[in-house]
Amino acid sequence: NAGVTQTPKFQVLKTGQSMTLQCAQDMNHNSMYWYRQDPGMGLRLIYYSASEGTTDKGEVPNGYNVSRLNKREFSLRLESAAPSQTSVYFCASSVITGRSQPQHFGDGTRLSIL
Amino acid sequence: DQQVKQNSPSLSVQEGRISILNCDYTNSMFDYFLWYKKYPAEGPTFLISISSIKDKNEDGRFTVFLNKSAKHLSLHIVPSQPGDSAVYFCAAAYNTDKLIFGTGTRLQVFP
Repeated sequence: NAGVTQTPKFQVLKTGQSMTLQCAQDMNHNSMYWYRQDPGMGLRLIYYSASEGTTDKGEVPNGYNVSRLNKREFSLRLESAAPSQTSVYFCASSVITGRSQPQHFGDGTRLSIL
Repeated sequence: DQQVKQNSPSLSVQEGRISILNCDYTNSMFDYFLWYKKYPAEGPTFLISISSIKDKNEDGRFTVFLNKSAKHLSLHIVPSQPGDSAVYFCAAAYNTDKLIFGTGTRLQVFP
């Protein structure tokens, strides 16, 4: 019963470095999401994928790319990390995309950009 | 502009008493509201939701009330237990199906 698994849990990068955050779910969910959470702010949607092979921008997509590798996996890539991207990143999944469908979250990746 | 606001960053309640967490929103198009609970070093966990066609939804110790005219919703926890100590986020959605989260309220339940 792993649910949504995110790797790594912690990472420190230097400005300009690149990195891919990994997310996998074992619940056979169609929809997957990437959020960031900053101090004093709620979770903000970066990108989401309603189904395998499709991705859409969320509220704060700039500086990020995503890849829905298959139904299970949804990765988030920072091509050239900036200090403003220091945050806690959460991946989530749901059966389908829909406001009535609860999203199941991973435990987060804490990312620091120096 | 924060469309979903949780104006109380923290709340402290004695065990056994009622906890009331509040959430205000500005967008009248929101038609679905959810509450999530988050423990430290874990992801948020879905708690309870309510559609705008209802004004109340109950699940065990948790009840969510929606006042559309005031653009306000609240989560009641009765009775409060120490294990309820966590950060609670409200979230709202409309036809885009994207959730807009509030900033969270940290609830502490003390013995």
